[in-house]
Amino acid sequence: GAVVSQHPSWVICKSGTSVKIECRSLDFQATTMFWYRQFPKQSLMLMATSNEGSKATYEQGVEKDKFLINHASLTLSTLTVTSAHPEDSSFYICSASGTSGSREQYFGPGTRLTVT
Amino acid sequence: GQQVMQIPQYQHVQEGEDFTTYCNSSTTLSNIQWYKQRPGGHPVFLIQLVKSGEVKKQKRLTFQFGEAKKNSSLHITATQTTDVGTYFCTRGGGSEKLVFGKGTKLTVNP
Repeated sequence: GAVVSQHPSWVICKSGTSVKIECRSLDFQATTMFWYRQFPKQSLMLMATSNEGSKATYEQGVEKDKFLINHASLTLSTLTVTSAHPEDSSFYICSASGTSGSREQYFGPGTRLTVT
Repeated sequence: GQQVMQIPQYQHVQEGEDFTTYCNSSTTLSNIQWYKQRPGGHPVFLIQLVKSGEVKKQKRLTFQFGEAKKNSSLHITATQTTDVGTYFCTRGGGSEKLVFGKGTKLTVNP
């Protein structure tokens, strides 16, 4: 089946630094990838939609200059949290849709970011 | 897209009891998808419903799509501890963004 990986699975960084999270589709080509953020005991909040070769579409209220998204290939999208602050600590999850026509989205295992 | 409303937000059952969660939309849905997220895990796709009045079964899970395509339900028969998690219904899918509601968190007492 379709597998999506994320790296790292968890990261601790100091306030003010930047962190890059990778999302890879391992056995299929993902034309579209999505980035979500989930705070404890809350639902997933869509941050942005990433299409290969084009600029990401950000949801209302999400700062595009703070959360940089790059979808340089059909198997890789990256999310960079710039100048991270403690309030950015969260669980970041990506999902991907393939090119087969299935409407299923495949989720990565998530990255837990803690900013100290 | 408008969020699909889901109730209840929490449900605690004794193992062996049945469980149902409901989704409602004010507008007609082209499709509805169900996902399950285990504690500490990521959402996993369960099923997609597309046709009016559609009913699909996966072992102890029964999914229904309303005749008007504005509501859906997930029913679990004889819950087990492995059913623990949060169940989400969403609209969208594929290259169309998923809009998650609050979901229904199910806990099962063994």
